[in-house]
Amino acid sequence: GIQVEQSPPDLILQEGANSTLRCNFSDSVNNLQWFHQNPWGQLINLFYIPSGTKQNGRLSATTVATERYSLLYISSSQTTDSGVYFCAVSDTGRRALTFGSGTRLQVQP
Amino acid sequence: GAVVSQHPSRVICKSGTSVKIECRSLDFQATTMFWYRQFPKQSLMLMATSNEGSKATYEQGVEKDKFLINHASLTLSTLTVTSAHPEDSSFYICSAQTGDFQPQHFGDGTRLSIL
Repeated sequence: GIQVEQSPPDLILQEGANSTLRCNFSDSVNNLQWFHQNPWGQLINLFYIPSGTKQNGRLSATTVATERYSLLYISSSQTTDSGVYFCAVSDTGRRALTFGSGTRLQVQP
Repeated sequence: GAVVSQHPSRVICKSGTSVKIECRSLDFQATTMFWYRQFPKQSLMLMATSNEGSKATYEQGVEKDKFLINHASLTLSTLTVTSAHPEDSSFYICSAQTGDFQPQHFGDGTRLSIL
């Protein structure tokens, strides 16, 4: 099956800093989503982005499908951004998502 | 729009009990729902794909007789953990999709603790 690798695994930032999270995948995809999992376990859908670029406030994402990677940008980070960020993909012919191992982000005041 | 409701949010029960978890799509119809499991400090792993009106498709290593999935309508899928044991303690989360090339929408998850 498709492989999904996220980097870095852990990230500690000071409030106000910017960061870039990366997701590499091993095959063509028809779905790519970025999620933020909060301390209560809820998965917050950030972006549905199988290709192209999207922005939502301080967050933006870019997927280059031909090169099999996606990037999540967080600008002016806040303590509420802390949590685990997951990239998840589904390859062609399969609708279920395969999740990466996540990036654990801690934003310190 | 695209709200998925999952109940209960937390269950604590004794070993040997069967536990049912419901997943409902509130404002859309979902021909396919998915069940994932997450152990502490780990990622989410697909357990099974639930198709309305047909048998679920289970991932390798997931016991279909232990994790019973029923998808009786276009808005409801249930997961029943039969004769649960402490090793079944985990975070279970469902998702639903409106159609191909659409995002998956997740419920808030169920934290299951077996004593």
